[in-house]
Amino acid sequence: QSVLTQPPSVSGAPGQRVTISCTGDSANIGAPFDVHWYQHLPGTAPKLLIYGNNNRPSGVPDRFSGSKSGTAASLAISDLQAEDEGDYYCQSSDSVIFGGGTKLTVL
Amino acid sequence: QVRLQESGPGLVKPSQTLSLTCSVAGGSITSGKYYWSWVRQPAGKGLEWVGLIYSSGTTRYNPSLESRVTVSTDTSKNQLSLNLSSVTAADTAVYYCARGASRALRCSLSGCLYYHYAMDVWGQGTTVTVSS
Repeated sequence: QSVLTQPPSVSGAPGQRVTISCTGDSANIGAPFDVHWYQHLPGTAPKLLIYGNNNRPSGVPDRFSGSKSGTAASLAISDLQAEDEGDYYCQSSDSVIFGGGTKLTVL
Repeated sequence: QVRLQESGPGLVKPSQTLSLTCSVAGGSITSGKYYWSWVRQPAGKGLEWVGLIYSSGTTRYNPSLESRVTVSTDTSKNQLSLNLSSVTAADTAVYYCARGASRALRCSLSGCLYYHYAMDVWGQGTTVTVSS
């Protein structure tokens, strides 16, 4: 069982905004260590989406944003698009262990 | 720009050892302060970290796999390796290698506490099936 807890699934219609939470504790996110987010689309390699809580690598649309408060972090995806459907994982920088992952379904 | 490519047998028999290689192109596996990691995804399940090696040579393993895993580097070939012994069907997965930067925060006799920057370079993955 992961030390970082994510909801198993979220869904939204195209154009909507969804958020994915990542809950840790005082040993990781609250320590405070930074949170990274990865996108894993079917048939592809995982891709870095957000690093250091709220930073986007070059090429990642600004529809994706991250935030952190206390022992939790969140990934927000606005203007939801069909190609966003896939799995999303958080990782705390104190280790390389991933959260359990959240499956995003675009309705 | 660093590129990673996993390779190895696609089929391994139960109880045998799974051996994978990750070839590093566009940069040296010994340069900089990085960690080189193995991550896997069993079918229908989430990403699972398997193990890593820091540029210092220190290794860390997922506690659930620690007794069976070895991660190493071959600097002459600029490669990262994974050995997983006594495999079962539960080890069937897509295996990825990935790189991230690291920074030692503090060290003691028992080891160092590291800050792990995000894994920004990933291989395309290789599928390994454990079956007789």
